[in-house]
Amino acid sequence: AQSVTQPDIHITVSEGASLELRCNYSYGATPYLFWYVQSPGQGLQLLLKYFSGDTLVQGIKGFEAEFKRSQSSFNLRKPSVHWSDAAEYFCAVGAGRGVTGGGNKLTFGTGTQLKVEL
Amino acid sequence: DTAVSQTPKYLVTQMGNDKSIKCEQNLGHDTMYWYKQDSKKFLKIMFSYNNKELIINETVPNRFSPKSPDKAHLNLHINSLELGDSAVYFCASSLYPRGGTEAFFGQGTRLTVV
Repeated sequence: AQSVTQPDIHITVSEGASLELRCNYSYGATPYLFWYVQSPGQGLQLLLKYFSGDTLVQGIKGFEAEFKRSQSSFNLRKPSVHWSDAAEYFCAVGAGRGVTGGGNKLTFGTGTQLKVEL
Repeated sequence: DTAVSQTPKYLVTQMGNDKSIKCEQNLGHDTMYWYKQDSKKFLKIMFSYNNKELIINETVPNRFSPKSPDKAHLNLHINSLELGDSAVYFCASSLYPRGGTEAFFGQGTRLTVV
């Protein structure tokens, strides 16, 4: 069964500082990996996704993530955080390439709440 | 134009009542989903429909019954509401029912059972 672990429940950073949010996954094959952001009272917005190819993926709002197969990780990074980045961030894993049946089920981590200090 | 829209956004109701949440997507996607986000913000899939056919049913109580009249709509009906049903329910859609296709989420419906 697939699973996702986000070890950090809360993270506080100063505006302008760099950010790294951790995500570890468990999956029997090469997974599809996603990072979503949820602002207060809002739905989930996709930041970026990894399907295949280059292990460093770029997303919206200046975010990037690196897929490391050896560490089963897909950490999210941003070089300089803005106050508007304060939100809940979710890492998710989907059924990988070649997996048939089971639909397009996403398994989410428990989320990391980011607070940005001005 | 809102891609995935849910109504209502907020729903407060008493225990034992029956309520419905509606979802519509205008993306032309074949697949739609219902996810539940609990009070600890944990998101878990409940159902998925592909072109009006149920393809995922994740051990959800029978009181929850999804209905898809066409591939652009997926409604969620809940009978005999319980306190534990209080949560945010998200509708989502994707182009195909297989991995590797991005899911687009609605704004969520916050259900409070009192």
